Amino acid sequence: AQRVTQPEKLLSVFKGAPVELKCNYSYSGSPELFWYVQYSRQRLQLLLRHISRESIKGFTADLNKGETSFHLKKPFAQEEDSAMYYCALVTGFQKLVFGTGTRLLVSP
Amino acid sequence: NAGVMQNPRHLVRRRGQEARLRCSPMKGHSHVYWYRQLPEEGLKFMVYLQKENIIDESGMPKERFSAEFPKEGPSILRIQQVVRGDSAAYFCASIGTDTQYFGPGTRLTVL
Repeated sequence: AQRVTQPEKLLSVFKGAPVELKCNYSYSGSPELFWYVQYSRQRLQLLLRHISRESIKGFTADLNKGETSFHLKKPFAQEEDSAMYYCALVTGFQKLVFGTGTRLLVSP
Repeated sequence: NAGVMQNPRHLVRRRGQEARLRCSPMKGHSHVYWYRQLPEEGLKFMVYLQKENIIDESGMPKERFSAEFPKEGPSILRIQQVVRGDSAAYFCASIGTDTQYFGPGTRLTVL
């Protein structure tokens, strides 16, 4: 079965603290994974994708096939990182299977 | 480029009425996805359309829901005889090379 699990509904950290948003997936094929972010009153937008292996706004994510994980990390959280984060898996016809999302709250 | 447009942004219907949700893809995009987000859940795929063609409707409920993407004009998601359980946020996305760009969503409330 194709599934994406984000176990934390809410993650609350202080500014400057490290952040790790967890994402685990279940997929029989070769996975292609994304992180999407939704800032307050804005639309869902792509943050990063595993195949590009890039860092966006200080965030990185590494695909770990052994642990079937694609955790999102940032060493020093900023207040402007507060948003809803969704992990998504690409399936047939480029359909996306989303996790339930994690709300990141960064306090000053 | 205004991005993916959806209207209306908010729609209120009474049980038994029809709801029509519209999605205009980004300029140059000819493929559209519709997703539904129920409260406390992630977005769930409903249907994938190309102009004048439904490619994958495996996520569409079997009854009352239909979608189209005509040669001219926006894609339309139509829900007939709405029920309270249809209350949700409905998002569409259009795809470029391999990245989906999302619209702001339509929040449907069924009274």
